[in-house]
Amino acid sequence: DADVTQTPRNRITKTGKRIMLECSQTKGHDRMYWYRQDPGLGLRLIYYSFDVKDINKGEISDGYSVSRQAQAKFSLSLESAIPNQTALYFCATSGWGLEQFFGPGTRLTVL
Amino acid sequence: QQQVKQSPQSLIVQKGGISIINCAYENTAFDYFPWYQQFPGKGPALLIAIRPDVSEKKEGRFTISFNKSAKQFSLHIMDSQPGDSATYFCAPSGYSTLTFGKGTMLLVSP
Repeated sequence: DADVTQTPRNRITKTGKRIMLECSQTKGHDRMYWYRQDPGLGLRLIYYSFDVKDINKGEISDGYSVSRQAQAKFSLSLESAIPNQTALYFCATSGWGLEQFFGPGTRLTVL
Repeated sequence: QQQVKQSPQSLIVQKGGISIINCAYENTAFDYFPWYQQFPGKGPALLIAIRPDVSEKKEGRFTISFNKSAKQFSLHIMDSQPGDSATYFCAPSGYSTLTFGKGTMLLVSP
């Protein structure tokens, strides 16, 4: 009954492969975000969307793309994965308030 | 340019002690100052937050102190417990996006 779900939870892929990470939420929030977390670097914003027709680049969008299929769904794609995209990826949502609610994360390994 | 500097990187505190984590920021457009807590294997979750119109906010054992002129805010955990062992992030916000610090790993020894 998690409010923010991410699939897959773990993924191992090879360099050059296309991969999609999916996020779904049942909180009814308009705003959704994708972050990556690397040890010692905190969380860095990749892309964010304030509604279905709105997509914005974050701090580190190069090599990534996103799709907002519906209010509840926000997907992150790596068109051609490379090893330095190995990281923990988090999806988050927020409503009109500033609190963000995070999913459980996807651990991605690119070999 | 690092907009948010968090210190220390790691902290070991004895049970019952006070844990203090600091955050310095550069962007004067930030208008919301939260601390997030993350346990291993979980996503971050909001712990406590403050707006710039007050200098201190307390929720149970957790207190935020805010110094607007110095562009700093800090998290104080009173009577620290082993269950507080986690990574803490400051994440000041402007224009509805969060800017995370690099995190502080807190270990509270029994």
